[in-house]
This record gives sequence, C-alpha cells and structure tokens, in this order.
Amino acid sequence: KNEVEQSPQNLTAQEGEFITINCSYSVGISALHWLQQHPGGGIVSLFMLSSGKKKHGRLIATINIQEKHSSLHITASHPRDSAVYICAVRSGGAQKLVFGQGTRLTINP
Amino acid sequence: DAGVIQSPRHEVTEMGQEVTLRCKPISGHNSLFWYRQTMMRGLELLIYFNNNVPIDDSGMPEDRFSAKMPNASFSTLKIQPSEPRDSAVYFCASITPGGRQYFGPGTRLTVT
Repeated sequence: KNEVEQSPQNLTAQEGEFITINCSYSVGISALHWLQQHPGGGIVSLFMLSSGKKKHGRLIATINIQEKHSSLHITASHPRDSAVYICAVRSGGAQKLVFGQGTRLTINP
Repeated sequence: DAGVIQSPRHEVTEMGQEVTLRCKPISGHNSLFWYRQTMMRGLELLIYFNNNVPIDDSGMPEDRFSAKMPNASFSTLKIQPSEPRDSAVYFCASITPGGRQYFGPGTRLTVT
C-alpha cells in the first residue's frame, strides 16, 4: 500500500462543476503539498499546508490531521484547470516529499 | 526572477553515453532536489542537497547516477553509462527555507 493515496485517479467534468480531489496518507506528516502539472509538463506548487484550510482564487485546500486526509477543491471549474494534480507529504523534520500517483482532471467546455 | 533553470530541456542519446543534466536554483533557496518522473513510477526523489551538502541520496537508482552541487547556484546530475530504462523527465526543484518547492521545467531524456 502506498503511503499517499489519491482518488479518483481520473476525473472528467463539465465546465462550471465543483471538483474535489482527495488525498489520504498513512504516515505522520509535517506538511502536505498540492502540485499541479499541466499537459506541457511543468509542475507548479499550489499549496503547502499543515493544518486547516487555504484558499487561492478558485482553489481551496483542506487538511484533517487526525483523519490523515486532505482535499483539493476547484470551484467554477474551467477547461484551463485540466491538469494532473499531485498530493505529496513531508514527514517529520525531513525535507523529502512522498508523492501520490496523481489525479488526471479533464474539464470539458 | 527567472525561476529554476534546467538544461538541456531535451536530450536524446545512445545507450552507453554519458549524460549530464544541469540545474540553477533560485537565489536564496537553501535546498535543491532532483526528481525523476516516469509513467510507471510517477515522481520519485533521487537526491537532495541542503546548503550544497547531499543529505539523502537513497533514491539514486544505482552507481551509474551521481549528483554534485559545487556551489549554491549550480547542480548537476550525471548518468554514466546511460541505459534505455533511464528515459524519463528529470526535474530539479529549489526549496525555500519554509519548505515550499519551486520546480524547474524539467529535462526530457531519451536513451535509445
């Protein structure tokens, strides 16, 4: 079993829909990252959080430390949100990240 | 700021050849990570440096891989000799003291 599990693996939705991507992890963490990788291949860090909730534009990330679970939400989804979203966790004092397998999101116009 | 710079962006080489990938991190960031991404295995950490010192190289697949960071503004990842199974996208990431990661554009390596 992977230390970081994402669901769903693939998600297709219509423009405007509310999107939720889930991430569960099995280790104690010091921080959780959400990354976005566009079809061109570049990777962008969206959020780094260790508790509660963060919001940036139409993106919201939440984390529940007790349940070892995080969600990434996209409101009013748009075709340009189509990308692979990757959850990654950092354990203890180490800097290294352990990655989930990614969720491929496709938003159709 | 130009962000993390990697070169080359694409590399095609024959099996057995030496390959050197280069990375220039963001100025002021004190940690640098090398990752490899493949369809089968996703993103994997190869090695990371803190203040130019290698901290964890447990992800380096074998002795054919080596990495150096001679100063705060430059790092290399070398594969010698290269093999077809090394074909992947190699990312370098520059890390802020707070732990946020900034990824380079990646180098797509194809070994034939």
